[in-house]
Amino acid sequence: GDSVTQMEGPVTLSEEAFLTINCTYTATGYPSLFWYVQYPGEGLQLLLKATKADDKGSNKGFEATYRKETTSFHLEKGSVQVSDSAVYFCALKSGGSYIPTFGRGTSLIVHP
Amino acid sequence: DADVTQTPRNRITKTGKRIMLECSQTKGHDRMYWYRQDPGLGLQLIYYSFDVKDINKGEISDGYSVSRQAQAKFSLSLESAIPNQTALYFCATSDSLSGDEQFFGPGTRLTVL
Repeated sequence: GDSVTQMEGPVTLSEEAFLTINCTYTATGYPSLFWYVQYPGEGLQLLLKATKADDKGSNKGFEATYRKETTSFHLEKGSVQVSDSAVYFCALKSGGSYIPTFGRGTSLIVHP
Repeated sequence: DADVTQTPRNRITKTGKRIMLECSQTKGHDRMYWYRQDPGLGLQLIYYSFDVKDINKGEISDGYSVSRQAQAKFSLSLESAIPNQTALYFCATSDSLSGDEQFFGPGTRLTVL
């Protein structure tokens, strides 16, 4: 079945540092890939997505590229801010499935 | 105003009590979901519904039941709460016509003593 593996957290960075959160997946066919973000005390919200190989999703300075050859969708940001502190979830949805599959989430803590 | 609302936001109850969590949405979406979040375990799907007459079990439905009262309302019940049901519960919606994105409510923090 489908699965998503994310790096374990917490990831702790200083403000303006470079961020990478790794995400790899196993799926049948060619899934759509997503990153969701959960700020403290809130529900998840979509951060970015990519629907086919080599697509790059981007939003709020975050980027992720759909890499079919390595089955990866790593999240990156060049310069993090304290306000980026949150839990980040990688997810996929296969064409033959009605339900997305979520990773376990990675907590990011950014210090001033 | 929030598009997906959940009530209550926080609830403390005792073992054996029946409790209902409610979810309402103004997005006009046909699909609704209930998830449970535990630290380090990510999201686990409890139940989902693709329209008013459609109810499906998720990966952890034991001990839970749901009701889809209308397209906009989807409630989750714990018939006899137990301490290991202490968790953060999220309702989500999606639109079968416009894509795969899910829209989440703010969550209900449930504590079972």
